[in-house]
Amino acid sequence: DVKVTQSSRYLVKRTGEKVFLECVQDMDHENMFWYRQDPGLGLRLIYFSYDVKMKEKGDIPEGYSVSREKKERFSLILESASTNQTSMYLCASSLRRLKGGTQYFGPGTRLTVL
Amino acid sequence: ELKVEQNPLFLSMQEGKNYTIYCNYSTTSDRLYWYRQDPGKSLESLFVLLSNGAVKQEGRLMASLDTKARLSTLHITAAVHDLSATYFCAVDRGGATNKLIFGTGTLLAVQP
Repeated sequence: DVKVTQSSRYLVKRTGEKVFLECVQDMDHENMFWYRQDPGLGLRLIYFSYDVKMKEKGDIPEGYSVSREKKERFSLILESASTNQTSMYLCASSLRRLKGGTQYFGPGTRLTVL
Repeated sequence: ELKVEQNPLFLSMQEGKNYTIYCNYSTTSDRLYWYRQDPGKSLESLFVLLSNGAVKQEGRLMASLDTKARLSTLHITAAVHDLSATYFCAVDRGGATNKLIFGTGTLLAVQP
């Protein structure tokens, strides 16, 4: 089975702190994604990576950056956390589109910024 | 710009009844996914629909895709309480990557 793990289930940070969210997948997937989920808005793509050190902005990248130094690990960084970044953050991974492309999700990190 | 609309947003139904969730999208796509999310949990893949006319069934759930109408449906047959969850459709944006646009979700509550 595909397994996607995230470093924390719950996280509380203060405004202005630098926040790291980590995601690890064990299925050798090329693609990895970070989403945020907010009530009434569904899931929105923050950043996407299709290979080590390769990344693309998603729909809402402002205030976030990412790092992918190894194929299995994709990190989301909030450079200076703000209260409007309080949300549920979901990581996903998938094979390339031609090999299937179904995204598999981690358990999520509920981040609260005070 | 690709937009995905689901309706209804909330569905309360009795056990044993049938109902359909609709997913409309605004531009051409050849791939659509359905996911389930239980409260406090992550998303679980239910179906991937790859072509016009595709139909997939698993237990009491059946999903179909009409790419010409830009419409997918998720049909629930004889609902049971265990089906209570939020259901999302997600449409492939096309191109070389498999980035998705998600609908806002349908919260399904099956009452005994």
